[in-house]
Amino acid sequence: TQLLEQSPQFLSIQEGENLTVYCNSSSVFSSLQWYRQEPGEGPVLLVTVVTGGEVKKLKRLTFQFGDARKDSSLHITAAQPGDTGLYLCAGLFSGGGADGLTFGKGTHLIIQP
Amino acid sequence: KAGVTQTPRYLIKTRGQQVTLSCSPISGHRSVSWYQQTPGQGLQFLFEYFSETQRNKGNFPGRFSGRQFSNSRSEMNVSTLELGDSALYLCASSLEPPTYEQYFGPGTRLTVT
Repeated sequence: TQLLEQSPQFLSIQEGENLTVYCNSSSVFSSLQWYRQEPGEGPVLLVTVVTGGEVKKLKRLTFQFGDARKDSSLHITAAQPGDTGLYLCAGLFSGGGADGLTFGKGTHLIIQP
Repeated sequence: KAGVTQTPRYLIKTRGQQVTLSCSPISGHRSVSWYQQTPGQGLQFLFEYFSETQRNKGNFPGRFSGRQFSNSRSEMNVSTLELGDSALYLCASSLEPPTYEQYFGPGTRLTVT
């Protein structure tokens, strides 16, 4: 069973600060996705990274895929209260598909005004 | 384009009963996956249906089953409910591989008493 470890589990910071959350595994991903989930709603896809070393930017959010495709990070610049939510990473493992995506348990992020 | 819809949004059942949840995917999406989300275990994959066939299955007991209809709508059924089945059940639809990007519905909150 492949596992995805997300850290930190909880993070509470002030508006305007920068932050980075991480997603790690001992196995190689063929692709990795990041989602944000708000209370009472389903997760919403933010980005998919496929190539080792790939960097994608979505406004103030920067996503990086590790060179070895075993880890990923999400960096938020100048966090805003609207960024509050549960951030989930989901990995599709090389040779996988039979078990669908494997999700990490997420990082609960709170941005205080 | 309308998003993924799930009904009902909330459900309260008693131990031993059974329940059926419904999901309508995004138009044109033929793959439908089901997930169980709990605070302790996070998001766990139940099964995936494609063209009315179960294509992948997670590690859940046989009490959890599903089906998909010719219009891609899907249902999942849980028989002989246990207290531990209380969770948010999420349905997601997706286009074809290779990345299996998931488009989630709002979920059905099931409480078993």
